[in-house]
Amino acid sequence: GAGVSQSPSNKVTEKGKDVELRCDPISGHTALYWYRQSLGQGLEFLIYFQGNSAPDKSGLPSDRFSAERTGGSVSTLTIQRTQQEDSAVYLCASSELAGMGQFFGPGTRLTVL
Amino acid sequence: GIQVEQSPPDLILQEGANSTLRCNFSDSVNNLQWFHQNPWGQLINLFYIPSGTKQNGRLSATTVATERYSLLYISSSQTTDSGVYFCAVEPRDSSYKLIFGSGTRLLVRP
Repeated sequence: GAGVSQSPSNKVTEKGKDVELRCDPISGHTALYWYRQSLGQGLEFLIYFQGNSAPDKSGLPSDRFSAERTGGSVSTLTIQRTQQEDSAVYLCASSELAGMGQFFGPGTRLTVL
Repeated sequence: GIQVEQSPPDLILQEGANSTLRCNFSDSVNNLQWFHQNPWGQLINLFYIPSGTKQNGRLSATTVATERYSLLYISSSQTTDSGVYFCAVEPRDSSYKLIFGSGTRLLVRP
């Protein structure tokens, strides 16, 4: 596609529920990234995919967070048993290759009640 | 880990004024990007600038990698320039993740 797209744009959920966030990268981009933006922590790196593999998961805050990428394209970030501190904007980015300029999607605003 | 500091944290300008935003980083980097986050939250790429100077319309950026800083110049500011400007670097030891500064919040008044 023309740009990175994410869905849903907004998600409100109750504490303890699972959520799935989706990212469609720019067509042909092999590298995909997830970041989180929250008031207290600013913009922080979560995970990076090169193709379908995730060489670096070090930014995932806890084992409740997981992500996968299939077909070298779409990625899903899953948060299990959501907590209020998970409330944030989750941003996805892609780049042609790792180390090249990253282009960001519009984000998913997650609110955990 | 690498530290990225941006200054000033907040800036108010009258439309038509010029400004300079600064980004300092604490260690060697592979690359540096400048972004503008608009009021709707979208991060817009401004520059991919590991070193040297680039210009795009009223904006230009300079990175001096040996001295570990980058500058973003905004000339003849417009109200649409309002938002938050982020500097982000790729550390040498992990050239895929971006480490973001805390941003400069700019308000341009008509």
